[in-house]
Amino acid sequence: KQEVTQIPAALSVPEGENLVLNCSFTDSAIYNLQWFRQDPGKGLTSLLLIQSSQREQTSGRLNASLDKSSGRSTLYIAASQPGDSATYLCAVPIDGANSKLTFGKGITLSVRP
Amino acid sequence: KAGVTQTPRYLIKTRGQQVTLSCSPISGHRSVSWYQQTPGQGLQFLFEYFSETQRNKGNFPGRFSGRQFSNSRSEMNVSTLELGDSALYLCASSPWATREAFFGQGTRLTVV
Repeated sequence: KQEVTQIPAALSVPEGENLVLNCSFTDSAIYNLQWFRQDPGKGLTSLLLIQSSQREQTSGRLNASLDKSSGRSTLYIAASQPGDSATYLCAVPIDGANSKLTFGKGITLSVRP
Repeated sequence: KAGVTQTPRYLIKTRGQQVTLSCSPISGHRSVSWYQQTPGQGLQFLFEYFSETQRNKGNFPGRFSGRQFSNSRSEMNVSTLELGDSALYLCASSPWATREAFFGQGTRLTVV
């Protein structure tokens, strides 16, 4: 059974800091891994999708890496801003044949001005 | 391109009632999934539909049901509501090629 873990549950950093959010999964036979952002009371916004054949993906100040063999992914946020404050979740499909996702509990990030 | 649209955004129901939530996927996406999000349990998978067929179902009681129409729009229904059904219900659509999930803004259901 696939399990996804995100530690720590919460993180507070000063504005401008570069930071890394971690995600680990137990079954390395994943089809892809997706990072999301969720603002309070809102839906999930897709940030980055990494296919199993890829090692990393970049979008603006965000960079996500994937190491299937160790069951880990990291989301790197450069030059953090108060607007980056949100909960960040990672998710993997249960298997490659469908879109059923297993989510981590998320990391709630607070960027202090 | 329009995103995933969920209606209504907010609902207040009393115990024992039933409720129907609606989800319109991104145009061209044939896969629609539903999730329940609560503070204690996080995001839990409810079911997935593809081309009007239920492909997967999560570990929820039979009071939770869904369907998908020929235009890929989906509905989920919860009968005999319980207080514990209070949650944010999220719908996601995916293109089959990438399986990338795009979520709607959710429906906040409060059962009183």
